[in-house]
Amino acid sequence: ILNVEQSPQSLHVQEGDSTNFTCSFPSSNFYALHWYRWETAKSPEALFVMTLNGDEKKKGRISATLNTKEGYSYLYIKGSQPEDSATYLCASIAGGTSYGKLTFGQGTILTVHP
Amino acid sequence: GAGVSQSPSNKVTEKGKDVELRCDPISGHTALYWYRQRLGQGLEFLIYFQGNSAPDKSGLPSDRFSAERTGESVSTLTIQRTQQEDSAVYLCASSTQRGTPYTFGSGTRLTVV
Repeated sequence: ILNVEQSPQSLHVQEGDSTNFTCSFPSSNFYALHWYRWETAKSPEALFVMTLNGDEKKKGRISATLNTKEGYSYLYIKGSQPEDSATYLCASIAGGTSYGKLTFGQGTILTVHP
Repeated sequence: GAGVSQSPSNKVTEKGKDVELRCDPISGHTALYWYRQRLGQGLEFLIYFQGNSAPDKSGLPSDRFSAERTGESVSTLTIQRTQQEDSAVYLCASSTQRGTPYTFGSGTRLTVV
């Protein structure tokens, strides 16, 4: 069973603060890691797909890093804005018979206060 | 279509009734997934279709749950004899190939009373 864990479960920050979350996953048989943002009353939206150890991705004020050997990924948000408030999900795909199937973590709920 | 379409968006049903949820994926997306999120829990995998291969049904919680997909188009998830623990948001997603990001639908909120 592939367990993906995220921390913290929830986070409250002030506008302008920078913040980061952690996603841990089993490092054996790793294929890819995804990050999604899920805003209330909307669909989850893909942020990043990461596959290589040491990978770093960036989209505006949001960036992510990946360590496949130790099984973790960090998501960073620089200068948080109220519109960043959402649940951030990470998910892992294993190789072999789990072709394409993502296993999701519980998510980190971010609230940015004006 | 432009995105993944799910219907209905909300469904309230009485315990013991059957329900059918529909998902229309993005045209050309060969992979289609069903997940659900129960209150306070994470996204739980239910079933996965990839082209003409046999579906991965390993996440279906009981034999009351079944799903079908016609070719690479519409999928329906059927829950028979619904129970209160089936109450959840049911999300459908599609993708082009292994490892590519999912595009999610807006979900069906199922409430069993």
